[in-house]
Amino acid sequence: EAGVAQSPRYKIIEKRQSVAFWCNPISGHATLYWYQQILGQGPKLLIQFQNNGVVDDSQLPKDRFSAERLKGVDSTLKIQPAKLEDSAVYLCASSLLSEAFFGQGTRLTVV
Amino acid sequence: GIQVEQSPPDLILQEGANSTLRCNFSDSVNNLQWFHQNPWGQLINLFYIPSGTKQNGRLSATTVATERYSLLYISSSQTTDSGVYFCAAISFGNEKLTFGTGTRLTIIP
Repeated sequence: EAGVAQSPRYKIIEKRQSVAFWCNPISGHATLYWYQQILGQGPKLLIQFQNNGVVDDSQLPKDRFSAERLKGVDSTLKIQPAKLEDSAVYLCASSLLSEAFFGQGTRLTVV
Repeated sequence: GIQVEQSPPDLILQEGANSTLRCNFSDSVNNLQWFHQNPWGQLINLFYIPSGTKQNGRLSATTVATERYSLLYISSSQTTDSGVYFCAAISFGNEKLTFGTGTRLTIIP
């Protein structure tokens, strides 16, 4: 069974530029999560989808971050414009009923 | 929402030693997971254990749901066990998977 796929693995951008991350969950998994992990901290939930509907986006900085999950499968997370403090690893996870599985993450550096 | 706390924050051990990592949570849970974050940042699933005890090789975990804590045991530690260990939980009535702050384990040869 294929795991959660994320791309790109690494991205370096200048502040005020835009960036997008892509996630392909495990086939059949209805729940999809995006997390932000700043160095030295635990992952923080940004947004959670159930199929293509948003379950929770209370910690998503909506003035600059957006996410969508078209057709309840793949998802993209966008940052526009990026700030220095957005430098972090962005993790995508999916689950069917309970146990969540994570992708390898995208390491974003904003300079 | 649920609060998840882990202890100790840092643990340094000699190779071959045993270790116990603790995770406390503030509400009743229907999901409790332990992860190992490898040096490349990927979260590796160790256990899905909302209650009871499980074992996988040198690792085992116990969750006492009524007392709101979970323990991860690592026996005969190896240098490859080094890294950060996270627990994460989902409480009843709330679907968010909330992480603790992690325990950084360093195994010295």
